Amino acid sequence: QQQVKQSPQSLIVQKGGISIINCAYENTAFDYFPWYQQFPGKGPALLIAIRPDVSEKKEGRFTISFNKSAKQFSLHIMDSQPGDSATYFCAASLTGTASKLTFGTGTRLQVTL
Amino acid sequence: DARVTQTPRHKVTEMGQEVTMRCQPILGHNTVFWYRQTMMQGLELLAYFRNRAPLDDSGMPKDRFSAEMPDATLATLKIQPSEPRDSAVYFCASGLRGNQPQHFGDGTRLSIL
Repeated sequence: QQQVKQSPQSLIVQKGGISIINCAYENTAFDYFPWYQQFPGKGPALLIAIRPDVSEKKEGRFTISFNKSAKQFSLHIMDSQPGDSATYFCAASLTGTASKLTFGTGTRLQVTL
Repeated sequence: DARVTQTPRHKVTEMGQEVTMRCQPILGHNTVFWYRQTMMQGLELLAYFRNRAPLDDSGMPKDRFSAEMPDATLATLKIQPSEPRDSAVYFCASGLRGNQPQHFGDGTRLSIL
């Protein structure tokens, strides 16, 4: 049973553009929503995370928007750069950060020159 | 910079052989996770431990997979006997219950011929 749905599967954005990746979850008990970035040959690395008590969190060029009523959250990458080319995973968990994560299926982002 | 260390990084073996993958979590982290990543299934949680005790291994095929934490600095994932469908990248992650995120190792790429 897939509890976190992620789209699109792949994304091509020009340098300087905005990359947007969307996720939807089913379990209303989830209380922690991280985004991970993965480069080839490496493990996923935490990029940014949000809890359901806020609607938006921004760190540098990366922003999470969270819509609790719609059970959706999204990652926005502003001024996308070629170095941002990677696979991005959304995830959700219950009861905090070092708890069982349910991952989305991933989005392969390519930022072109 | 503290990191999760996984060995070996690559493993190629024949069907039926025993495979052991090792993980050294970040010192002080009390929660360890094993994930499997494939193109078809994405990132799947196999098992996780807290304070060396197994909390959830429902994602793991019990007949051939086993996970243990002999001590706080070592987690192992064994497959016996291995099958071609076990070919995947296996990630270990560690965390500290509370406000610390999960940190992933760079994985073991396993190929079963």
